[in-house]
Amino acid sequence: SQQGEEDPQALSIQEGENATMNCSYKTSINNLQWYRQNSGRGLVHLILIRSNEREKHSGRLRVTLDTSKKSSSLLITASRAADTASYFCATDGIGANSKLTFGKGITLSVRP
Amino acid sequence: EAGVVQSPRYKIIEKKQPVAFWCNPISGHNTLYWYLQNLGQGPELLIRYENEEAVDDSQLPKDRFSAERLKGVDSTLKIQPAELGDSAVYLCASSPRGTDSYEQYFGPGTRLTVT
Repeated sequence: SQQGEEDPQALSIQEGENATMNCSYKTSINNLQWYRQNSGRGLVHLILIRSNEREKHSGRLRVTLDTSKKSSSLLITASRAADTASYFCATDGIGANSKLTFGKGITLSVRP
Repeated sequence: EAGVVQSPRYKIIEKKQPVAFWCNPISGHNTLYWYLQNLGQGPELLIRYENEEAVDDSQLPKDRFSAERLKGVDSTLKIQPAELGDSAVYLCASSPRGTDSYEQYFGPGTRLTVT
């Protein structure tokens, strides 16, 4: 089962524009992570935000977390063609046997 | 630093045949994961190892899937016999600690096609 649900499913923007991707989840979490996957490749970790954090930055990435709404957003500023990829949010549950649960992903296309 | 290595990258087999995938995690990473990724979906955990112990194999279809991590380093995932529905990408990942509160490092995956 997949807890995280990303929105939109697909996003197409012009190079230089900002891209905002959203993720909603259902159960309490320890942390939430965003990953990127280029076509035919493995996933690459982008950023991790813990449940007691509200916002985090890493380069052109900004992630927010609202635990009351059980939602997160990933903002990529000044997008580049190289940002074209699938983006997944993954939630880490609470408990000894918690595991990362991935959403279905968002396909981002950045047009040159 | 070398990343997670997987082989083969691609495998095509006929149904009912056996198949095996190999993974070499990042040096020093105690935790190793096998995921299955269907087209258009996110990865789903099959099994998690901490050193040589399988600590979560609840999602592994044990009638046909098996895995081992001898000596707590390399790991092998096997399917016997393969079914058409097993066609997917099998991803291996590793992390330095025993919980999911750390980022995971993924290999490139093995794309399996069962005909």
